[in-house]
Amino acid sequence: AQSVTQLGSHVSVSEGALVLLRCNYSSSVPPYLFWYVQYPNQGLQLLLKYTSAATLVKGINGFEAEFKKSETSFHLTKPSAHMSDAAEYFCAVSERGRGKLTFGQGTILTVHP
Amino acid sequence: NAGVTQTPKFQVLKTGQSMTLQCAQDMNHEYMSWYRQDPGMGLRLIHYSVGAGITDQGEVPNGYNVSRSTTEDFPLRLLSAAPSQTSVYFCASSNGVTGELFFGEGSRLTVL
Repeated sequence: AQSVTQLGSHVSVSEGALVLLRCNYSSSVPPYLFWYVQYPNQGLQLLLKYTSAATLVKGINGFEAEFKKSETSFHLTKPSAHMSDAAEYFCAVSERGRGKLTFGQGTILTVHP
Repeated sequence: NAGVTQTPKFQVLKTGQSMTLQCAQDMNHEYMSWYRQDPGMGLRLIHYSVGAGITDQGEVPNGYNVSRSTTEDFPLRLLSAAPSQTSVYFCASSNGVTGELFFGEGSRLTVL
């Protein structure tokens, strides 16, 4: 069985500050890992994914995440927050090729001027 | 590009009524799935399918029924709606290679 824990249901940062959203996973097989973003009243959009290539993954909108097997973590970062980054972010894990994901509880990011 | 299309976007039901949420994808993906999203609980898998004629239960299947007669379509049926099924429902598809899911825009269901 797989699981995902996102530390912090709400994160608040100032515009221009570092964004760090934490994700830890559990998986009995080498995982695929994902970060999705959801803007209000919209569906989920893929930010980035790890599929066993480079451990540092770059995504859209300046976000990146680092896969650390020893820490079973896949934290999402962005050097400088923008007001448009305010949204809910979901970390997810899948077994390779299974076509289904297990999601974390989500983290709501608020960006203050 | 249409991608994954869900209908209806909004629906209000009374307890005990039945309804079907429609989902169609035009990417020729083998894998399709239904999730429900509730505040603070992320997305939870209801049912999924690995191809036409093949379905399996997810984490929260009770009260829902699915079938997959074609590659393109994966409808979700609520047999007898309950207030606990008030939620936002997302359909998704995947080619199963990279594991990435492509989501529809969601269907917001309220059961009174």
